[in-house]
Amino acid sequence: DQQVKQNSPSLSVQEGRISILNCDYTNSMFDYFLWYKKYPAEGPTFLISISSIKDKNEDGRFTVFLNKSAKHLSLHIVPSQPGDSAVYFCAASGGTNFGNEKLTFGTGTRLTIIP
Amino acid sequence: NAGVTQTPKFQVLKTGQSMTLQCAQDMNHEYMSWYRQDPGMGLRLIHYSVGAGITDQGEVPNGYNVSRSTTEDFPLRLLSAAPSQTSVYFCASSYGVVGGYEQFFGPGTRLTVL
Repeated sequence: DQQVKQNSPSLSVQEGRISILNCDYTNSMFDYFLWYKKYPAEGPTFLISISSIKDKNEDGRFTVFLNKSAKHLSLHIVPSQPGDSAVYFCAASGGTNFGNEKLTFGTGTRLTIIP
Repeated sequence: NAGVTQTPKFQVLKTGQSMTLQCAQDMNHEYMSWYRQDPGMGLRLIHYSVGAGITDQGEVPNGYNVSRSTTEDFPLRLLSAAPSQTSVYFCASSYGVVGGYEQFFGPGTRLTVL
């Protein structure tokens, strides 16, 4: 049972345009969400996160939106750059209690920025 | 700081062999974990530890053992390798709840079981 879903395996976007990556979750106990970026032959690197008490978090070109009622979050990248070409993983964590730090990951979306 | 280091980078095993994947971090993180990444499956949690001497199972623990005798090290042992364990393995660490959920990942170990 996939609790975190990324339904688009791949996405291609023109350089300079907006990239929008989507993620859906089913577990209502998740209260913290993260996006990771992964280049080939490297480990994932943390990009941006959002707590369930917020609906938006912004960091430079990256913005994450959270819609709790729809159990949906999205990552916006504006403007998209060639270096953004990577696989993006959505991840969720289920609570603020000690021991709940473990993450559940989605299957990833491969983003390709076209020059 | 070296961050999270993993050895070896690549490994080929025969079915039935055992081996240990090494993971170390120099950030004094309490929380450490092991994931495997398979095509179309994302990253799945194998085992995790919230501190020295404390470990617990994740989503796919069968066939793997872990121990955490120090804060820095969190080795993953394959008891009797099977072809289904062919995967890329990532170790990660974080401060935990107090410091946030952001986990730092190592570069990965690519394991092939023949």
